[in-house]
This record gives sequence, C-alpha cells and structure tokens, in this order.
Amino acid sequence: GQQVMQIPQYQHVQEGEDFTTYCNSSTTLSNIQWYKQRPGGHPVFLIQLVKSGEVKKQKRLTFQFGEAKKNSSLHITATQTTDVGTYFCAGRGSGSARQLTFGSGTQLTVLP
Amino acid sequence: EADIYQTPRYLVIGTGKKITLECSQTMGHDKMYWYQQDPGMELHLIHYSYGVNSTEKGDLSSESTVSRIRTEHFPLTLESARPSHTSQYLCASSELGLASYNEQFFGPGTRLTVL
Repeated sequence: GQQVMQIPQYQHVQEGEDFTTYCNSSTTLSNIQWYKQRPGGHPVFLIQLVKSGEVKKQKRLTFQFGEAKKNSSLHITATQTTDVGTYFCAGRGSGSARQLTFGSGTQLTVLP
Repeated sequence: EADIYQTPRYLVIGTGKKITLECSQTMGHDKMYWYQQDPGMELHLIHYSYGVNSTEKGDLSSESTVSRIRTEHFPLTLESARPSHTSQYLCASSELGLASYNEQFFGPGTRLTVL
C-alpha cells in the first residue's frame, strides 16, 4: 500500500532560525496536502500542491512539490513561537488509492 | 457558522462497555472520515463515507463500526471497548467532487481511555 514518510520526527530550533520538514511517498501522488496540529489541538489544513515542481508561499512558509510528485517539503523562515506544533504532510494517490495517507509528522519546538 | 463537532471530548470507560462517539458537521459535506491518532503520532484512517448509506473501512483495521443515515452525522461505535482502544479519535469532513482539491476539516477529537 501507499506509504508516506516524513523526516525529521522532532526538531528543536531557536526562535528566528529556519526549519524544514521533508515528506517522501513510496508512490507517485496526484496531490499533497499539509496540515498543522497545535499541541492538544486538531489538524488544520495549510495548503495543497497539485502540479509537478509547484512552489507555494504563505508568508514565512514555503511549500514545494517534487518534479516526480513523490516528495514535498515545508520550509519556515525565521521561526516564531507561534509556529510550535506538529506538521503533517498527506498524500493522495492516483487511481484506486484515492484516500489521503498521512505522514508521521514532524514535531516542531521553538525555543524563545 | 459552519463547523464540525465531536462529543464527548473526553471519555473514560471500563472494559467491555459499548460506546458511541458522535460526529456532526454543518458544512453539507458529503465525505466524512474517522481517524485514530495516538499522542504525537500519525493519523490512521479507520473509516470513511462518501455519503448517506455509504461506509468503507480505512487502512487501519478497527473493531469499530460506523453508520451514515444522515449527511451531517457520522457516529462511530465500539461494541466492547478494550484497553487497546485507548487513543484519540478524530472526525473529519470534506467536499466530494471530481476535483482533487478537497481539504479535510477536523473536529476537536474524542480522547478515549479504556480501563
């Protein structure tokens, strides 16, 4: 079945440092979504990437979808304490595998 | 205001009890989902539905069952709870369409503890 792996599992950064999480799929994806889950909260949708090589920005967040549509990354520039949480990628396969498969998440801690 | 609701938020129950976790959404979404998530871990899809009278099992095998009699309501039932069922259960919904853009909206979750 489709597998989505995410690294690193944990990341501690000093406030103001950059942060990147990487997502890799065992199969080609039709699209990939990113979610953020604050401690004690529920996942909240951030963005969806559909096209090969697509890059989207949301303020300090930059999302990329690989050319082969099997990997993606989320980069945060100059982290703030409000960025704390777990970031999940979720890939949607093609054909019969149309459900979202969530990655294991990267738990970000920002030290003030 | 459109939203997705789950009750109860927290439940502590003894082994062997039957429980139903409630999930309702007011967004008119056709597609609904149940995920199981252990603290700090990934989300595992256990059930989903494309609409009324449609239910499918997800990737993670689960002893729970679901029903979809009304569009807005997608309850999950455990006939006999066991300690291995202790986890957080998240309900979500999304639009159903041929377009691939269908973000999932999550409820606040039910944190279940089975003693």
